[in-house]
Amino acid sequence: DTAVSQTPKYLVTQMGNDKSIKCEQNLGHDTMYWYKQDSKKFLKIMFSYNNKELIINETVPNRFSPKSPDKAHLNLHINSLELGDSAVYFCASSQDFGEKLFFGSGTQLSVL
Amino acid sequence: EDQVTQSPEALRLQEGESSSLNCSYTVSGLRGLFWYRQDPGKGPEFLFTLYSAGEEKEKERLKATLTKKESFLHITAPKPEDSATYLCALFSGGYNKLIFGAGTRLAVHP
Repeated sequence: DTAVSQTPKYLVTQMGNDKSIKCEQNLGHDTMYWYKQDSKKFLKIMFSYNNKELIINETVPNRFSPKSPDKAHLNLHINSLELGDSAVYFCASSQDFGEKLFFGSGTQLSVL
Repeated sequence: EDQVTQSPEALRLQEGESSSLNCSYTVSGLRGLFWYRQDPGKGPEFLFTLYSAGEEKEKERLKATLTKKESFLHITAPKPEDSATYLCALFSGGYNKLIFGAGTRLAVHP
């Protein structure tokens, strides 16, 4: 039973399209995150939510909009996709800030 | 600004050849230093958390240590299955977020 699951695993799309990535955790954690890993494998936080409330919003273009319908789910919607959005996006969760993170297996987004 | 620097970028070892990975950091208020392992095509997997200088933690062939300026991940008699990217991250209380280093890609050859 996967602790943090995200779908889809791969996403290939054209520039200008809108796409969503879904994430669910069954660990009962209060805090969820979206991270972006670029081609150099550098992991950078994008957003964090605690109990459905947005806590961290890094300098991410407003084309990226996270939504947390409940504390077990955190989805990421991306509008008007650009070539530079190509990367691997990881969802993660933790019991609280400063606790160890549990990561999903990632969504590889390729914008053509 | 809080920062994490890992070295080397890549390391190639023969099976059984022990070595260490370095993680240097600057932080205004350290609330935890984390080590993760990442295999290709997968998300990072938690290994250790260290909270104060002098602390050490071990797991199988891995041992993590912490000083006020850096952390080391010592790998003793590595096996090919230890091949992965090892990520260091620090939790900055000032920013309430985990800041990752760029990682060290470790390849262990039989």
